[in-house]
Amino acid sequence: NAGVTQTPKFRVLKTGQSMTLLCAQDMNHEYMYWYRQDPGMGLRLIHYSVGEGTTAKGEVPDGYNVSRLKKQNFLLGLESAAPSQTSVYFCASSYGSTSYEQYFGPGTRLTVT
Amino acid sequence: GENVEQHPSTLSVQEGDSAVIKCTYSDSASNYFPWYKQELGKGPQLIIDIRSNVGEKKDQRIAVTLNKTAKHFSLHITETQPEDSAVYFCAAIRNNDMRFGAGTRLTVKP
Repeated sequence: NAGVTQTPKFRVLKTGQSMTLLCAQDMNHEYMYWYRQDPGMGLRLIHYSVGEGTTAKGEVPDGYNVSRLKKQNFLLGLESAAPSQTSVYFCASSYGSTSYEQYFGPGTRLTVT
Repeated sequence: GENVEQHPSTLSVQEGDSAVIKCTYSDSASNYFPWYKQELGKGPQLIIDIRSNVGEKKDQRIAVTLNKTAKHFSLHITETQPEDSAVYFCAAIRNNDMRFGAGTRLTVKP
């Protein structure tokens, strides 16, 4: 099993450009999450999904959109990138509710200039 | 919403010594408290967790204690080894509200 994979690993965007980050999991997990990690601030939840076709806002959702069209995939979109969105983005999944172990992907390092 | 504070932000110990990392949380309804270890260039990985109906949990050299009254929980690593060097994150979770601490960079000197 590959676990949780993220595409791409690195990306540089110019302000105003758009992009989509792809997360895939092969563990048949119901819950999936997108976090951003900034120095000195730990992990902050952007959006999450409790099942195929559902999405919900986390702690810092502004400027991001998500979609969960298939159970195994969770997409994070930036419609108009801003320098404040420079960060490392992690996707995670868990078997059941949020009170279960989350399995994290390797991360995507995004720089917005 | 929940607020989680984690201390210290950096910790350096000699190999073989113990390391303790502490977290406090604000929402008394939080009921799940995991600890994650993040090595350089990788995603976080769960090392131990505790639920609100338990006061202590141990797994080999790693233990977690929870004081619900005081709303704090701690990670204890005994007999530290160089491979324990990493960033450690605590989290407090209630339903779909998840908050992580800012992290502790642990360095174990051989």
